[in-house]
Amino acid sequence: DAGVTQSPTHLIKTRGQHVTLRCSPISGHKSVSWYQQVLGQGPQFIFQYYEKEERGRGNFPDRFSARQFPNYSSELNVNALLLGDSALYLCASSSTSGGPPYEQYFGPGTRLTVT
Amino acid sequence: GDSVTQMEGPVTLSEEAFLTINCTYTATGYPSLFWYVQYPGEGLQLLLKATKADDKGSNKGFEATYRKETTSFHLEKGSVQVSDSAVYFCALLRSGSARQLTFGSGTQLTVLP
Repeated sequence: DAGVTQSPTHLIKTRGQHVTLRCSPISGHKSVSWYQQVLGQGPQFIFQYYEKEERGRGNFPDRFSARQFPNYSSELNVNALLLGDSALYLCASSSTSGGPPYEQYFGPGTRLTVT
Repeated sequence: GDSVTQMEGPVTLSEEAFLTINCTYTATGYPSLFWYVQYPGEGLQLLLKATKADDKGSNKGFEATYRKETTSFHLEKGSVQVSDSAVYFCALLRSGSARQLTFGSGTQLTVLP
């Protein structure tokens, strides 16, 4: 079975632009979470979506938004890009069976560079 | 709020040396604890986990014990290999917080032949 997939792999944008990152969860997983990993730091939680609804949000500005589609894939959108948004964006999916803690499976990430 | 503190890196060891990476946490309630590993250019892989006090997680020769009295979850391996070179992250999942992991800053491990 395929793991979590993310696209694109790499992206270069200019300050002020908008970006959309995409994630496809493992088949059967209904929960998707997004994390931002700045170089040299641990990942920071951005959003969690389950059954197409936002179930958690980290300490990120309103420029960050996300959504989940009926097939459980997800998009992360960032408006008005800043240099500080340059990071590796990780998507993780998890099952809802087997009881907590629900193991999160991470994708390879999208490397965003803002110039 | 929740937080995870890891020992500063980078850590450089010779092959077959003993590894310890310290991790302590601050959280309310009874979180689950995890170690993730990140190889160059890749996403995170779950290495091991523990869900309650005194649990020992183990995988691929790595071990960590959930110590509630010291709020610690130190990672150990008796004999490291060159292939263990990676960045290691300690993380916690607070009970009731669904899927929101809180990560430490990571420890870079380099194993020399």
